[in-house]
Amino acid sequence: EADIYQTPRYLVIGTGKKITLECSQTMGHDKMYWYQQDPGMELHLIHYSYGVNSTEKGDLSSESTVSRIRTEHFPLTLESARPSHTSQYLCASSAGLLADTQYFGPGTRLTVL
Amino acid sequence: AQSVSQHNHHVILSEAASLELGCNYSYGGTVNLFWYVQYPGQHLQLLLKYFSGDPLVKGIKGFEAEFIKSKFSFNLRKPSVQWSDTAEYFCAVRSEDSSYKLIFGSGTRLLVRP
Repeated sequence: EADIYQTPRYLVIGTGKKITLECSQTMGHDKMYWYQQDPGMELHLIHYSYGVNSTEKGDLSSESTVSRIRTEHFPLTLESARPSHTSQYLCASSAGLLADTQYFGPGTRLTVL
Repeated sequence: AQSVSQHNHHVILSEAASLELGCNYSYGGTVNLFWYVQYPGQHLQLLLKYFSGDPLVKGIKGFEAEFIKSKFSFNLRKPSVQWSDTAEYFCAVRSEDSSYKLIFGSGTRLLVRP
């Protein structure tokens, strides 16, 4: 089983709250990713990082932000949550080779009321 | 834009039946292709991947997939499914911009009846 962790697993909050979704991996991977997934839909890449102090926006526009201060940690923040942010957020990491496996965390299911 | 299509959103099979899940991608250049599986309550995990070489790729738990370049397809197969194969299956292709990003299909939810 992959050593990638996400907290919280489930979060229900009110509109306007600031939230941070945590993601950590103990594999020493340089590459890390955040995906957003709605039920029955594709995973959409919203952020990725190729290493410390590197962050890029993904293919799906998102109001969230990320940071990569340490190799093992890649938190995602929403400054002011809205109902449209309700979704599942999956974190992944990879060692960086082009055909390398991305390892996924268990996901955070976010509901904004 | 690059895309991945999975034709079947829901598949229901009886144990011992054969399985084939379709996957088509839109990019015509060099591709790296993946199948991921998510068992109920578990992380998304890699089933198999194609990078180069033999177009018939064998993965874990008896799964295999065949890369057919002329058809832009990478269908997943298993000769005889088990109840424990009940899961959601995602096909993915590495982005054509040569980055490490993956583009996923919408998934196929497989239910195997005992």
